[in-house]
Amino acid sequence: AQSVTQPDIHITVSEGASLELRCNYSYGATPYLFWYVQSPGQGLQLLLKYFSGDTLVQGIKGFEAEFKRSQSSFNLRKPSVHWSDAAEYFCAVGPTGNQFYFGTGTSLTVIP
Amino acid sequence: DAGVTQSPTHLIKTRGQHVTLRCSPISGHKSVSWYQQVLGQGPQFIFQYYEKEERGRGNFPDRFSARQFPNYSSELNVNALLLGDSALYLCASSLGGDGIYGYTFGSGTRLTVV
Repeated sequence: AQSVTQPDIHITVSEGASLELRCNYSYGATPYLFWYVQSPGQGLQLLLKYFSGDTLVQGIKGFEAEFKRSQSSFNLRKPSVHWSDAAEYFCAVGPTGNQFYFGTGTSLTVIP
Repeated sequence: DAGVTQSPTHLIKTRGQHVTLRCSPISGHKSVSWYQQVLGQGPQFIFQYYEKEERGRGNFPDRFSARQFPNYSSELNVNALLLGDSALYLCASSLGGDGIYGYTFGSGTRLTVV
């Protein structure tokens, strides 16, 4: 069965510190992997996606993610966090029957 | 360019009532998907439509239905509302029928059932 696990419900980092959000997936074939960000009361914005090829993908807002097939992981990273990065982050995998599976999200708090 | 637009933004309904949510995709996008996001959870897939045909259905009861119109806009209908239907309903559009290039999401409709 397809699923996504985001082990960290909530993470707090200091502004300027580095960030890594974890994502593990279960998928029967080569996955399409995505990271989305959601600000309070808003829809989801696509940060980056992985299909194939280079396992390190770059996204918007200075984010990057690394696909590790052996670990079934697709962790999101940012070298230096800004206060505006505070939001909810969702990892997604798919498609299966045109359906994408989202994790339960990681809430990021940035402290000055 | 307008993004994905959803209406209404907020809605309060009573148990047993019916609700219709509307979505207009990005111009040129022919696929619309609907997701339900319960507070504190990730989005759950409800439906996907491409070229006016249903291409996918999630694990939701028959009280949930949807359709896509010739201009690619879409409606999500929910009958006999339950308290558990309270959620943020997200519409997402994509260029192709499979969404593999990623979705563009609307800001959602916040449905509260009382």
